Amino acid sequence: DGGITQSPKYLFRKEGQNVTLSCEQNLNHDAMYWYRQDPGQGLRLIYYSQIVNDFQKGDIAEGYSVSREKKESFPLTVTSAQKNPTAFYLCASSVWDSENTEAFFGQGTRLTVV
Amino acid sequence: AQKITQTQPGMFVQEKEAVTLDCTYDTSDPSYGLFWYKQPSSGEMIFLIYQGSYDQQNATEGRYSLNFQKARKSANLVISASQLGDSAMYFCAMSPHSGGGADGLTFGKGTHLIIQP
Repeated sequence: DGGITQSPKYLFRKEGQNVTLSCEQNLNHDAMYWYRQDPGQGLRLIYYSQIVNDFQKGDIAEGYSVSREKKESFPLTVTSAQKNPTAFYLCASSVWDSENTEAFFGQGTRLTVV
Repeated sequence: AQKITQTQPGMFVQEKEAVTLDCTYDTSDPSYGLFWYKQPSSGEMIFLIYQGSYDQQNATEGRYSLNFQKARKSANLVISASQLGDSAMYFCAMSPHSGGGADGLTFGKGTHLIIQP
């Protein structure tokens, strides 16, 4: 059953700690993305990757880091430099193909700083 | 830069009525794609419909249709015969070129739709 798996679903972090959110896809998609969603807001792009070992900053990359060592995996690290990390984080993937129009999303990880 | 504007923060609609959710966009890209996603309270994003900027006809997917008016830069979502399960947040989004949005999507702030029995 193909799809995108994000883990964990809920994550609590103490201030000053780094934390890594997992995102795995078995859709054989080239492109993967991380978005952040704050209450009552739309999604904002943090980082994206179109190919293994390459990634680009999105609109709000400060305080975050990513890696893309495998096509299937695109983990996001929320560093202590991120001043307001409490949010809902969504991972997505897509095929970079003009005939394919859809980005598939995971179930999301809700991060809370305590 | 691209921008999506959704002017309806919330809407209440009677079950079985048709619903129109507004979306206007701004871009300098000659080629782009427009998307609508549904987000239930559980949080996942569900793809509903897509319209490419060069598509001549409005997109339709079951009860969903996209009213694309290029000159007005609008891409309204129409849901026919609304159902209680349609209650959710709805987001309009665009990509910088027609296709899968491999550079990432720009989202609006969403419309919270509530269907009343």
